[in-house]
Amino acid sequence: GQQLNQSPQSMFIQEGEDVSMNCTSSSIFNTWLWYKQEPGEGPVLLIALYKAGELTSNGRLTAQFGITRKDSFLNISASIPSDVGIYFCAGPYRDDKIIFGKGTRLHILP
Amino acid sequence: DGGITQSPKYLFRKEGQNVTLSCEQNLNHDAMYWYRQDPGQGLRLIYYSQIVNDFQKGDIAEGYSVSREKKESFPLTVTSAQKNPTAFYLCASSIRSYTGELFFGEGSRLTVL
Repeated sequence: GQQLNQSPQSMFIQEGEDVSMNCTSSSIFNTWLWYKQEPGEGPVLLIALYKAGELTSNGRLTAQFGITRKDSFLNISASIPSDVGIYFCAGPYRDDKIIFGKGTRLHILP
Repeated sequence: DGGITQSPKYLFRKEGQNVTLSCEQNLNHDAMYWYRQDPGQGLRLIYYSQIVNDFQKGDIAEGYSVSREKKESFPLTVTSAQKNPTAFYLCASSIRSYTGELFFGEGSRLTVL
C-alpha cells in the first residue's frame, strides 16, 4: 500500500537546538498532518496543512506543505525537554484512509 | 468531558483465544479507526468506519474483526487467526473521515502469552 517516508528515524539533540524533520510520499496528498506521541499514550495532532505551499505555526513548531504535494516538513525551534517523543506525519489517502509514517523519535540530551 | 475511551489498558491473552478491545467516543464523530503500533513500525491501519453499520479494511485487517452498530462504539476483536497479536492498539475518531484530524484514545496493550 501507499507509504509515507519519514526522516530521520531518530534524532539526538541538545536542549535549545532547532530540529528539522520531513515526510515524503510517492503520491500526491491534499492534506498533511503532524502528530506527536509520548510514551504510553495516543498521538496528539500538532498541525494540519491543507494547501500546497502553506506554512503554519503552532508555538515553536512550524510545518510546511510542499509545493509538489508529495512532501511536508516540521521544524521545532529552541527545543526543550518536553519536546521528547515520536513525531508522525499523516495524510488521508484516497480521501478516507488515514495513513501514517513510521515516525521520527526525538531525544534531547541533558 | 468529551473524548475517546479505550479499555482495557492492558490485556493478557493465551494463544488461541479471541479478545475484544473496547473503543467508545462521546465526541459525536462520524468516523472511527483502529491502528496497530509495533516498535519502529509507526501506526498501521487495521479497520475504519465512516458511518454506522459500515466499515472498511485497512492495510492489515487479516485476523481482526470489527462492528459499528452505534455511532459511539467501534470494538475490535483480535481473533486466534492473527499470527502475531502482541502490540499496542490505538483507536481514533474524526468528525469526518477525509480531514485526517484524528483524536486518539490512550491505547490498549495486548500481550499474548
